[in-house]
Amino acid sequence: AQSVTQLGSHVSVSEGALVLLRCNYSSSVPPYLFWYVQYPNQGLQLLLKYTSAATLVKGINGFEAEFKKSETSFHLTKPSAHMSDAAEYFCAVQDSSYKLIFGSGTRLLVRP
Amino acid sequence: GAGVSQSPSNKVTEKGKDVELRCDPISGHTALYWYRQSLGQGLEFLIYFQGNSAPDKSGLPSDRFSAERTGGSVSTLTIQRTQQEDSAVYLCASRREVVATYEQYFGPGTRLTVT
Repeated sequence: AQSVTQLGSHVSVSEGALVLLRCNYSSSVPPYLFWYVQYPNQGLQLLLKYTSAATLVKGINGFEAEFKKSETSFHLTKPSAHMSDAAEYFCAVQDSSYKLIFGSGTRLLVRP
Repeated sequence: GAGVSQSPSNKVTEKGKDVELRCDPISGHTALYWYRQSLGQGLEFLIYFQGNSAPDKSGLPSDRFSAERTGGSVSTLTIQRTQQEDSAVYLCASRREVVATYEQYFGPGTRLTVT
């Protein structure tokens, strides 16, 4: 069975600093992986997805993630944080029935 | 085009009452999912519809929960005899086809509060 672990329920960075949100997955088959963002009182918006093409995936709003099979990781990064990036971020793996299995989420706080 | 819509956006109900939550998927999307987001359990899958196939109900937490999808489009999630632990945000998502690389698009959710 697939699973996702997000290390750090809260991450705080200064505006302009590097953002790094960690995600590790467990899957017995080549995984399809997703990062979603959730702003307050809104649904989930797709940031980026890995579907076994390039291991470095670029998404919206300057985010990117690198798939590392040897580390079973799919960490999300952004070189320079903006205040508008403050939100909750969810990593997810798609199971064989196309359902999403989510991590517990990481709330990103951006300090001015 | 229009995204996934859900109604109502907020619902407050008394314990023991039945509630119905509605989801309008993106036009032409054949797959529809319901998830629940709660403080204690995070984001969890509830039920999945794909075309005319029998739904995957493996995530429904009890027999008080049911869902249907009429005409391959609109879906209704029904919770009977609501309990306080049913309080959560219920999210609906749709997907164009059952192709592995296609992502799910989420609606804004219905926040259910059971008093």
